[in-house]
Amino acid sequence: AQKITQTQPGMFVQEKEAVTLDCTYDTSDPSYGLFWYKQPSSGEMIFLIYQGSYDQQNATEGRYSLNFQKARKSANLVISASQLGDSAMYFCAMREGFTDKLIFGTGTRLQVFP
Amino acid sequence: NAGVTQTPKFQVLKTGQSMTLQCAQDMNHNSMYWYRQDPGMGLRLIYYSASEGTTDKGEVPNGYNVSRLNKREFSLRLESAAPSQTSVYFCATKGQAGYSNQPQHFGDGTRLSIL
Repeated sequence: AQKITQTQPGMFVQEKEAVTLDCTYDTSDPSYGLFWYKQPSSGEMIFLIYQGSYDQQNATEGRYSLNFQKARKSANLVISASQLGDSAMYFCAMREGFTDKLIFGTGTRLQVFP
Repeated sequence: NAGVTQTPKFQVLKTGQSMTLQCAQDMNHNSMYWYRQDPGMGLRLIYYSASEGTTDKGEVPNGYNVSRLNKREFSLRLESAAPSQTSVYFCATKGQAGYSNQPQHFGDGTRLSIL
């Protein structure tokens, strides 16, 4: 069974609008962490935001926020005020327990148009 | 990404050839990782090293070997390359094993094609 599911292969959003990228996860470990990475067309992986399973508040980093719904096992990335430079692949990843292994989803390709 | 350097950036091999992918970091990080990225499959962990002198298998270790040469360097070796190993390979580092909220920092990748 997939541990991390990103059901949106592609998303389009107009510049300056907000967009939500979905991520659901599956784990029985009460301790886990969720990460979002951005991969532009140039190929590098850029860390965006982190949410721990015991964190009381949703994580925010500038224009990025994480809509963490623990009971529904979802950790959706919200990008506010989209910019053309936000066009990229976005990956959700999970760390289970206290291991250092990351499990990645298959990614969502976001395209921002003027 | 000046912190994590992968060499080479591109390589074409013939089936059966051997090859070592190099990764070096100047971030003074303890943990290092090797991933492969295939179309439509996200990144999958091949091997990782929590600290100098230790290595462990990840999700897809078959056909690969690794060496943690020192704190800075972590190499990935394909002893007998197969077309199924055509992929983009990423090296990543993290400050300290077991610290839950630290992200992994990635190199720019090595695009490897095996004919």
